Amino acid sequence: TQLLEQSPQFLSIQEGENLTVYCNSSSVFSSLQWYRQEPGEGPVLLVTVVTGGEVKKLKRLTFQFGDARKDSSLHITAAQPGDTGLYLCAGTLSGGSNYKLTFGKGTLLTVNP
Amino acid sequence: NAGVTQTPKFQVLKTGQSMTLQCAQDMNHEYMSWYRQDPGMGLRLIHYSVGAGITDQGEVPNGYNVSRSTTEDFPLRLLSAAPSQTSVYFCASSYAFTGGGETQYFGPGTRLLVL
Repeated sequence: TQLLEQSPQFLSIQEGENLTVYCNSSSVFSSLQWYRQEPGEGPVLLVTVVTGGEVKKLKRLTFQFGDARKDSSLHITAAQPGDTGLYLCAGTLSGGSNYKLTFGKGTLLTVNP
Repeated sequence: NAGVTQTPKFQVLKTGQSMTLQCAQDMNHEYMSWYRQDPGMGLRLIHYSVGAGITDQGEVPNGYNVSRSTTEDFPLRLLSAAPSQTSVYFCASSYAFTGGGETQYFGPGTRLLVL
């Protein structure tokens, strides 16, 4: 059973379009993170959200943490070819002595010029 | 700072061979972890360590051993490689792990092929 479900798995869009990627779970998380990974490299952190309902903006990227802390979304406005990559959500379950970061399967985004 | 370094970058093994994947960080991070990444599977946690001398199992620990004798190094050992262990392996580290979303710094990965 996948703890974090990401959708869509693949997304191919034209430059200038908007898109949203979702990360959903039935469990409560103390924090959720979004990473971006380029081919041949390790993931790089984009943002961390810790408060239910929190919204963070990073230039054209907007991240939201659900009120119940079970889901998150990543919205990209006016996508550019440089946004191409694998987007991964990752979270730490709430409660208990938990030192494990759980990843979703990722969304592979291709932005065509 | 070099950050998180991993060696080797590529490795080909025959079934049954053993090897050690090296991981080192120079950021004085207490928390270190190993993940494997397979197509369509995301990153899955193999083992992690919250400090020197302390290790624990992650989601997919079978076939792998770890030890943490120093803060800087966290090697991953494959005792008897199997084709199912063909994957890309990432090491990561963070200052601590409190559940508050500390930044995980990833190495560049080791690509392992087991024939």
